[in-house]
Amino acid sequence: DQQVKQNSPSLSVQEGRISILNCDYTNSMFDYFLWYKKYPAEGPTFLISISSIKDKNEDGRFTVFLNKSAKHLSLHIVPSQPGDSAVYFCAAFASGGGADGLTFGKGTHLIIQP
Amino acid sequence: EPEVTQTPSHQVTQMGQEVILRCVPISNHLYFYWYRQILGQKVEFLVSFYNNEISEKSEIFDDQFSVERPDGSNFTLKIRSTKLEDSAMYFCASSRDRGQGYGYTFGSGTRLTVV
Repeated sequence: DQQVKQNSPSLSVQEGRISILNCDYTNSMFDYFLWYKKYPAEGPTFLISISSIKDKNEDGRFTVFLNKSAKHLSLHIVPSQPGDSAVYFCAAFASGGGADGLTFGKGTHLIIQP
Repeated sequence: EPEVTQTPSHQVTQMGQEVILRCVPISNHLYFYWYRQILGQKVEFLVSFYNNEISEKSEIFDDQFSVERPDGSNFTLKIRSTKLEDSAMYFCASSRDRGQGYGYTFGSGTRLTVV
């Protein structure tokens, strides 16, 4: 039961261009969404989050968009840099659901080409 | 910057053996978690721990698993009798507040290989 789906296992983008990573969810109880970045041999590191009361959150080169009606969120990275090459995980949380754990997607491997 | 420390970084064990994975969460954090990632699959929640007891556990966290905070700094995950399918990266995380994922700090993980 994949409640959080990242349908693109990998994405290749040229340096300087925009990277768009997509995520879909099925559980309407989710009201908090996060993106994590993971390098090999390291744990996930928090990147950016968005609450369901918003439709956009921006932090420097990173912007997350949330479309609640479509149960879809996306992460935009502009401009893409070589250091952005990593696996990006979308995660979701239901604050009112009594659950402590995050539900992760399978991840998208972003490759920034010079 | 404060970090979550996990030891060992890699553990190889024989099937049926017990393993203990260790974690030192960030000192002022109150919530502790274990996640795992089987190679090529998603990161999965195992268990959360708060106030010296399990707060929530997933269906993966069966009777073979246990967690403990034996002292004021360590947080351990024990697998009593390892199976081949327990081979995975195990990530410890801690947070100051419940459920605020932006506050989660993950460790670098322990790669468990069961042979």
